[in-house]
Amino acid sequence: NAGVTQTPKFQVLKTGQSMTLQCAQDMNHEYMSWYRQDPGMGLRLIHYSVGAGITDQGEVPNGYNVSRSTTEDFPLRLLSAAPSQTSVYFCASSYSRSTGANVLTFGAGSRLTVL
Amino acid sequence: AQKVTQAQTEISVVEKEDVTLDCVYETRDTTYYLFWYKQPPSGELVFLIRRNSFDEQNEISGRYSWNFQKSTSSFNFTITASQVVDSAVYFCALSEAPGRSNTGKLIFGQGTTLQVKP
Repeated sequence: NAGVTQTPKFQVLKTGQSMTLQCAQDMNHEYMSWYRQDPGMGLRLIHYSVGAGITDQGEVPNGYNVSRSTTEDFPLRLLSAAPSQTSVYFCASSYSRSTGANVLTFGAGSRLTVL
Repeated sequence: AQKVTQAQTEISVVEKEDVTLDCVYETRDTTYYLFWYKQPPSGELVFLIRRNSFDEQNEISGRYSWNFQKSTSSFNFTITASQVVDSAVYFCALSEAPGRSNTGKLIFGQGTTLQVKP
């Protein structure tokens, strides 16, 4: 059981480049989300999805795009990278929003540096 | 709006000392969940506990205990007889109530870095 898998673990980009952080879960979870972690700020929600075909913005969505074409995958796209997007990104999933079973399982994280 | 505050940025203790990590939250919901997560130096996020707002009983799990007090909007975490392996960043988090249009979103505090010295 792999849980939540994120790739890549590390990435260095130049300002203006685009890239996609991949996230996949094999637990048949309905809910998936992306957080970013910055020093002194905890984790902040970027985008989330409550099921295939449904996505919504979190607290800090600007500069990021998501889609949820399957239950398993929830990629995060950086459209034009900026130094302010240097951060550690975590993907998370949980299995049932309707029962309130909102214990998030996190991926291992992706450290992104934008020069 | 929901908010979680962990006022202690960093705590340093010597092994075997007891340590309490504070968490204060704000919410207008009458039903909600509170969480603690641990982030060891390796970087992953590990779930420790979830507590429903209706359950104010304290919980103990080995050397870990949690004190939930609705009257003061606090959900504090105590480690008894701390060990070097407890060194980590600890996050407190809050989520909205289940059973509504619940998205499972968590609001995290800023985190408390605990260093346990041998």
